[in-house]
Amino acid sequence: EDQVTQSPEALRLQEGESSSLNCSYTVSGLRGLFWYRQDPGKGPEFLFTLYSAGEEKEKERLKATLTKKESFLHITAPKPEDSATYLCAVQAGSGGYQKVTFGIGTKLQVIP
Amino acid sequence: KAGVTQTPRYLIKTRGQQVTLSCSPISGHRSVSWYQQTPGQGLQFLFEYFSETQRNKGNFPGRFSGRQFSNSRSEMNVSTLELGDSALYLCASSLGVSGSYNEQFFGPGTRLTVL
Repeated sequence: EDQVTQSPEALRLQEGESSSLNCSYTVSGLRGLFWYRQDPGKGPEFLFTLYSAGEEKEKERLKATLTKKESFLHITAPKPEDSATYLCAVQAGSGGYQKVTFGIGTKLQVIP
Repeated sequence: KAGVTQTPRYLIKTRGQQVTLSCSPISGHRSVSWYQQTPGQGLQFLFEYFSETQRNKGNFPGRFSGRQFSNSRSEMNVSTLELGDSALYLCASSLGVSGSYNEQFFGPGTRLTVL
């Protein structure tokens, strides 16, 4: 069974204090790994897709990386508006039978 | 480009009733997936529809069902509601083409409360 584990569950940072969120996965036939941001009471907002080990993607203060067993979301000099829950998801399977499995998420709080 | 829309946004039902939720995907997207989100379990996959056919199904009882129409709009139905069905129900759409970009775009969700 596909498994996605995110750590830590919650993270509290001072504004400007860089850190990383972890997403480790155990799946058969990885097709893609996704990062989402979710604000309270809203649906997840797509951030990145990573397809193969060694791949990196950046967007403003966020940078996502992927290895064969885990992905990291690096947050550089975070601001209070970066406070949200960050979700990791993996898509696995073959052909038309592919499933997406989400982690529980990391709740990030950035304090001014 | 309009995003994913879900209706209604909020619902209050009592145990034993049934409910139907609606989702309109992004124009051009043919795949619609449904998720249940609760504080303790996170996002749990319910099912995925592509071109009016259920392509994948999660581990939920048969009380949870869905369908997709020719215009890609989708509905989800929950019969004989239980207290534990209280959750945020999220719909996500994607292009759905195997091997292509399959990132999902989510709607705002329907908050279902079962009393």
